[in-house]
Amino acid sequence: SAVISQKPSRDICQRGTSLTIQCQVDSQVTMMFWYRQQPGQSLTLIATANQGSEATYESGFVIDKFPISRPNLTFSTLTVSNMSPEDSSIYLCSVEGERESYEQYFGPGTRLTVT
Amino acid sequence: ELKVEQNPLFLSMQEGKNYTIYCNYSTTSDRLYWYRQDPGKSLESLFVLLSNGAVKQEGRLMASLDTKARLSTLHITAAVHDLSATYFCAVDATPMDSNYQLIWGAGTKLIIKP
Repeated sequence: SAVISQKPSRDICQRGTSLTIQCQVDSQVTMMFWYRQQPGQSLTLIATANQGSEATYESGFVIDKFPISRPNLTFSTLTVSNMSPEDSSIYLCSVEGERESYEQYFGPGTRLTVT
Repeated sequence: ELKVEQNPLFLSMQEGKNYTIYCNYSTTSDRLYWYRQDPGKSLESLFVLLSNGAVKQEGRLMASLDTKARLSTLHITAAVHDLSATYFCAVDATPMDSNYQLIWGAGTKLIIKP
């Protein structure tokens, strides 16, 4: 399985500012995913990021608010822009597993608190 | 609307007991995944179920999939405290010629008391 790291692991930010979260994978992967998980809740997919193409955003998420970069097959960033307290959440990146199973492997997450 | 429903959402049980978590889904799919999440941690893949009738076992956990009933179960045998966690099921609902899509259940928070 892939080993995934995220930076930062946590941060406390002021409203109106932006934070960029980095996701690094130890192997080349085609698809990377960004999720949000609010306390005690399930996962909500923000977007799918394929290398070489624009990210595909889910309903309720827009590029201006959550710009994503995918410069190569092992790295991606998610920016949370113009933050408000409602953006306080855990942000998780994940990657697809082997083609046979399509399971996803998750990074450790970034715990964001917006004050 | 595609839905994945888990029940119960919360389960408190005694060590040594058996119990089952259910995952019902509304779409046609033959791929279902179970994940575990410890408090403050990320998600760990537990089981990958890829066909009707699939059964996987790891220690005290056993997962099964009935695609006709659109139901998966996660059975806990002789529970121990270390199994306390939140368990999520997720269903592959990827449409033809479209982006890969997982639909997640709400999670079952399991507390096992000594």
